[in-house]
Order: sequence, then C-alpha cells, then structure tokens
Amino acid sequence: DQQVKQNSPSLSVQEGRISILNCDYTNSMFDYFLWYKKYPAEGPTFLISISSIKDKNEDGRFTVFLNKSAKHLSLHIVPSQPGDSAVYFCAASAIRGSQGNLIFGKGTKLSVKP
Amino acid sequence: DTAVSQTPKYLVTQMGNDKSIKCEQNLGHDTMYWYKQDSKKFLKIMFSYNNKELIINETVPNRFSPKSPDKAHLNLHINSLELGDSAVYFCASSPLAGGPDTQYFGPGTRLTVL
Repeated sequence: DQQVKQNSPSLSVQEGRISILNCDYTNSMFDYFLWYKKYPAEGPTFLISISSIKDKNEDGRFTVFLNKSAKHLSLHIVPSQPGDSAVYFCAASAIRGSQGNLIFGKGTKLSVKP
Repeated sequence: DTAVSQTPKYLVTQMGNDKSIKCEQNLGHDTMYWYKQDSKKFLKIMFSYNNKELIINETVPNRFSPKSPDKAHLNLHINSLELGDSAVYFCASSPLAGGPDTQYFGPGTRLTVL
C-alpha cells in the first residue's frame, strides 16, 4: 500500500532547462512534505519542505508546489545543473497524532545532461 | 565531522548468523531511526526511538531489535539472518519527535545475506 507515489522512475533533462519531479499521496492526514536528494553510496539529504498550510515554497533554484485537493506535489529545479543528477525522494509526514515518521516514495532518478 | 555515521559500510554474511550495525550521531538529536531500502528501492521506516519510547513498525520481524546505549547511538541487531534481509539499512536522527522536522541520514550499510 503505497501512500506516497513517484510514478516516474527516471527523468532526463538538458542542462539549463527546468526539471519537474512529481509526487502523489493518498493519505489525507499528511500535513508536511519533504524532498530528499540522494547520491550513490550516500544517505538521503534534505532538500526542501512544505507545510500543508502553504502551496509553494522556494529556496534558490528549488521550488516545491503543493496541490492539496489533488494530493499532489512537485519539485521544480531551474535551471538544472549536472550536479543535480541524483535520486530524488518525496516524503510525507502526519504531524498530528503520530510520531512524525516519514513515508517515502520510491524515488525518481534525475539525469541532467551537459 | 560526520553528522550521522554507520559501521560497517558493507556487511556480507551467511544465512542464520547474527549481526549488528552501529549508528552514531553527533548532532545532539533526541530521536533516531532505522530505515530499510529493499531491492525495489522503497525506503521504509523500521524503528524510531527517543529516550522515552520505541516505536516499531509492525511489519518488522522480531529478529530485528534496536539497542540504544545512549542518546547518541542506536544500534541494529539482527538475529537469524535470512536472504530477504539483504538490503541497504539507513540510520537517521532528528531534533524533534512528532514535529515538522527534518531527518539527517547516515551513509547506509549494504547488507548481503548469502
């Protein structure tokens, strides 16, 4: 039972263009969402997050959009750089009434070509 | 300085053996976690632990047991290893339990059971 879904296992974009990574969730109790980035042989590292009271959060080249009615969020990277090539995990948490444990999607492998 | 460290990085062992993976964090965090990333790349929580309580994912077999000698360490003991235990295990820590926090991950331990 996948509560967090990343339906695209991989994405390839050209350097300088926009990368859009998508994530869907099923649990309406989720109220906090995060994106993690993972390089090979390393642990995931936090990238950006958004609370359910917002619909957009921006940090430099990274912007996360949240559409609660569609239970969908997306990560935009613009402009994309070769160093952005990694696996991106979407994660969700239900803050109220839980331990704040993160439920992860399966990840999307982003390749940015020079 | 490494924030969350795990040892060993690689572990190859025979079925039926008992093994341990160590985790240490120097961030002063209150909560630590163990995740398993299986062959399908799902990153799933196994345990979360602070000095007050241990939260166990009910799907985790009781052959797996976390042991915390102090706040900075959460070791994972696995008894009677099985082929299906082969995976990458990630330790993580966070400054809060049940809050909109971010988790810091270790580099992972790749366990191979032969």
